[in-house]
Amino acid sequence: DAGVIQSPRHEVTEMGQEVTLRCKPISGHDYLFWYRQTMMRGLELLIYFNNNVPIDDSGMPEDRFSAKMPNASFSTLKIQPSEPRDSAVYFCASSLGAILPFFGQGTRLTVV
Amino acid sequence: KNEVEQSPQNLTAQEGEFITINCSYSVGISALHWLQQHPGGGIVSLFMLSSGKKKHGRLIATINIQEKHSSLHITASHPRDSAVYICAAPEGGGADGLTFGKGTHLIIQP
Repeated sequence: DAGVIQSPRHEVTEMGQEVTLRCKPISGHDYLFWYRQTMMRGLELLIYFNNNVPIDDSGMPEDRFSAKMPNASFSTLKIQPSEPRDSAVYFCASSLGAILPFFGQGTRLTVV
Repeated sequence: KNEVEQSPQNLTAQEGEFITINCSYSVGISALHWLQQHPGGGIVSLFMLSSGKKKHGRLIATINIQEKHSSLHITASHPRDSAVYICAAPEGGGADGLTFGKGTHLIIQP
């Protein structure tokens, strides 16, 4: 398996634009997590899914953020409208039974 | 919500030294995670442990559930061990999303 695949690897966008980050989890994994990493706050959980169902989205900063998992092999994290303070590295991770997550390479988002 | 504290924040050591990184958490958990973040940014899960000790190569992780404390040890450290080591615990204590420590930035000098 190729591991968790995230796209794009880098994204630069202007403030106010919509940004969509994509994640393909490892086949067979039933948990999917979205994390954000900044210098100030470190790694933070945004939302996680179990069997495609959102379980906990309390980490989503505000209504500008939304995440979907339409099927077991794909998830998106959308920011609309984007703001400079959203600049961060966004990681997707998947696991089988919420143990030992496998992380994607991350998407480095810069909002100017 | 679980509060996860790590120490030290930064650690520089000479090749061959024995390294210890400490982690404490506030809420009882089912298991604790240790992660490694490479200089390039990639994150790798090293251990998930719920009791006792686990060993993988030169890495050893221990946990004391009663004291809510875990340690990561590196024996015979090598420059390629240079990375950020992050401790993480389930937010609610059970099987769910992780709360992370701030990480320990380890540099091993040749």
